[in-house]
Amino acid sequence: ETGVTQSPTHLIKTRGQQVTLRCSSQSGHNTVSWYQQALGQGPQFIFQYYREEENGRGNFPPRFSGLQFPNYSSELNVNALELDDSALYLCASSFGFSSSYNEQFFGPGTRLTVL
Amino acid sequence: GEDVEQSLFLSVREGDSSVINCTYTDSSSTYLYWYKQEPGAGLQLLTYIFSNMDMKQDQRLTVLLNKKDKHLSLRIADTQTGDSAIYFCAERGGGYNKLIFGAGTRLAVHP
Repeated sequence: ETGVTQSPTHLIKTRGQQVTLRCSSQSGHNTVSWYQQALGQGPQFIFQYYREEENGRGNFPPRFSGLQFPNYSSELNVNALELDDSALYLCASSFGFSSSYNEQFFGPGTRLTVL
Repeated sequence: GEDVEQSLFLSVREGDSSVINCTYTDSSSTYLYWYKQEPGAGLQLLTYIFSNMDMKQDQRLTVLLNKKDKHLSLRIADTQTGDSAIYFCAERGGGYNKLIFGAGTRLAVHP
């Protein structure tokens, strides 16, 4: 059973550019959540996808968008990059999202630096 | 509102017990979690507690939940140098599986 993988591991972009981060969920999982972790902070929820539909969104502007594919892998896209977007981006997969316990398994993250 | 607060730093001697504290605000949270993050790594789930429990023990880890005060603690018995990491408290919020994290407590274990 493969765990959650993310690519790339590191990325450097300049202000105004666009970036796409990728996540492969754990086998059997149909839900993917994305988090942003700024340096010295806890992860902040960006959004969640369940069966290819956005299922919930945190307090992030529309230039943060995502996709989930039929194989449940996912992309996070950020347009018009700002310096404050520099962070570790974490992807987490789970099976479902209901009120019962659904453990989220985190990937190692992609570290994005915006210059 | 949704907010989780933790103290930022804890230093303990190897072999002693560590206690990391957390307060949360959402009384409707069903599950509360402790995650561990080592340098350059993602998050590892250590343990969780359901909101109708007061205590949960898992080997060296003990979680205490005081629902009245919205206070959660993680006790690590016989702390080892390998326990040095950042520990995050998180609550589950919203109608879906969204996690709300604190800023993390950096645990330093010294000989």
